[in-house]
Amino acid sequence: AQKVTQAQTEISVVEKEDVTLDCVYETRDTTYYLFWYKQPPSGELVFLIRRNSFDEQNEISGRYSWNFQKSTSSFNFTITASQVVDSAVYFCALSEAQNYGQNFVFGPGTRLSVLP
Amino acid sequence: KAGVTQTPRYLIKTRGQQVTLSCSPISGHRSVSWYQQTPGQGLQFLFEYFSETQRNKGNFPGRFSGRQFSNSRSEMNVSTLELGDSALYLCASSDPGAYEQYFGPGTRLTVT
Repeated sequence: AQKVTQAQTEISVVEKEDVTLDCVYETRDTTYYLFWYKQPPSGELVFLIRRNSFDEQNEISGRYSWNFQKSTSSFNFTITASQVVDSAVYFCALSEAQNYGQNFVFGPGTRLSVLP
Repeated sequence: KAGVTQTPRYLIKTRGQQVTLSCSPISGHRSVSWYQQTPGQGLQFLFEYFSETQRNKGNFPGRFSGRQFSNSRSEMNVSTLELGDSALYLCASSDPGAYEQYFGPGTRLTVT
């Protein structure tokens, strides 16, 4: 069975601080996909990144970076020099190849508040 | 390209009624998935359609159903509405061969 855990329910930081959002997943499939989505107050889920299970390279995109470690089943997300516009709920998600990669299991989300 | 569109954006229904929600995927996307988001249960997968066929199904009662048309547009139907069906219903589409899903703005359903 698939499961995604985001232990941090809410995080508050002051603008320009770095913040890391944790994600731990469980799956029995050997091929799977991991995702991060952002849900701002407007409600629409915004795709941030996808990682395939066979690609453990970390990725950096501007102020965002992701650390994927299969050994610990973790896929953590770091925002460097946070900004007020980063305030949102962030979801980590997992899908398995056996379901054509389309049956997403989402974590409960982490609400990030960036204070000016 | 235009994004995923969902209609209507807001809906108020009474217990026992039925409702149909509509989703138009991004042009060229053939997979459409539906999710229910509630404060208590979070985001839960309902079902996924690809080329007019249901490929995946989540753990929801039979009152929840869907379909996909030849132009990839999709509808989901909830019959005999219950108060607990009040939620944000999100539709997502994905490109053939890709795995990330792109979400629409959602339909907020309130059951009274």
